[in-house]
Amino acid sequence: DAKTTQPTSMDCAEGRAANLPCNHSTISGNEYVYWYRQIHSQGPQYIIHGLKNNETNEMASLIITEDRKSSTLILPHATLRDTAVYYCIVRGYNYGQNFVFGPGTRLSVLP
Amino acid sequence: GAVVSQHPSRVICKSGTSVKIECRSLDFQATTMFWYRQFPKKSLMLMATSNEGSKATYEQGVEKDKFLINHASLTLSTLTVTSAHPEDSSFYICSTTPGKQASYNEQFFGPGTRLTVL
Repeated sequence: DAKTTQPTSMDCAEGRAANLPCNHSTISGNEYVYWYRQIHSQGPQYIIHGLKNNETNEMASLIITEDRKSSTLILPHATLRDTAVYYCIVRGYNYGQNFVFGPGTRLSVLP
Repeated sequence: GAVVSQHPSRVICKSGTSVKIECRSLDFQATTMFWYRQFPKKSLMLMATSNEGSKATYEQGVEKDKFLINHASLTLSTLTVTSAHPEDSSFYICSTTPGKQASYNEQFFGPGTRLTVL
C-alpha cells in the first residue's frame, strides 16, 4: 500500500501557483519524498525529490515540514500543460527499490 | 534526464495471441527494470522486477507463466503477454534506475505501451 495520502483532485487557474499537499505521517528516517506526474496516456515524469530540506528545480519546489510528516509540491506558474495526475511517493534510498503509486491528485489547470 | 523507450507504443491483438513489449534504456546500463500495469483511471501497479541475468521477481497475484520477462542485457528487458485475453488490455509501463550509484535514485519511466486485446 502507498504510504501517502493526497487529495483526489484540485483545480488551479492558469498562471497561478499550484500547491499540491501530501501527507506521509509514517515516513521513516531514511525515506525520501518523491513527486512524479503523469499526463494522460504517458509514462510518469520525474519532478523532484527531497529528504528534509526544501528543494527547488526548474519545474517545481518541494516544501517538507520539519517533522517530515507532510510536504507540498509547488508549481509556481501553472500552465495548461501542467494538467496531470501528480503522485507523491515515499521511498527508501536503496538501489533497486520500486515506487509504490497511490491514486495521486488530478490537477486541472483552468484557463 | 535519462531516456527509457518502449516498443511498440500501441498494439491491438486477437485473443489467444502473444504480445512482446520491449523496454530499452537508451543512455545508461540498467541492472534492474520494473514493469507496471495501469488500468483506466487507476494508478500504476507493480507487476514484476526484472534483474539482468537472473529470473524476474513477480508481485503477488501476477502469473509468471503468463507474463514472461526476459532481461538478457543491461539495456533491454522484454515483457511477453502470453495467450492474451481481453482482461489483459491495459497500459504497460517499464521503469529503471541508472547503474548502482546511490546518487541515481530516481526512476525513469518509459512512455508506456497500450495493449488492446480483442
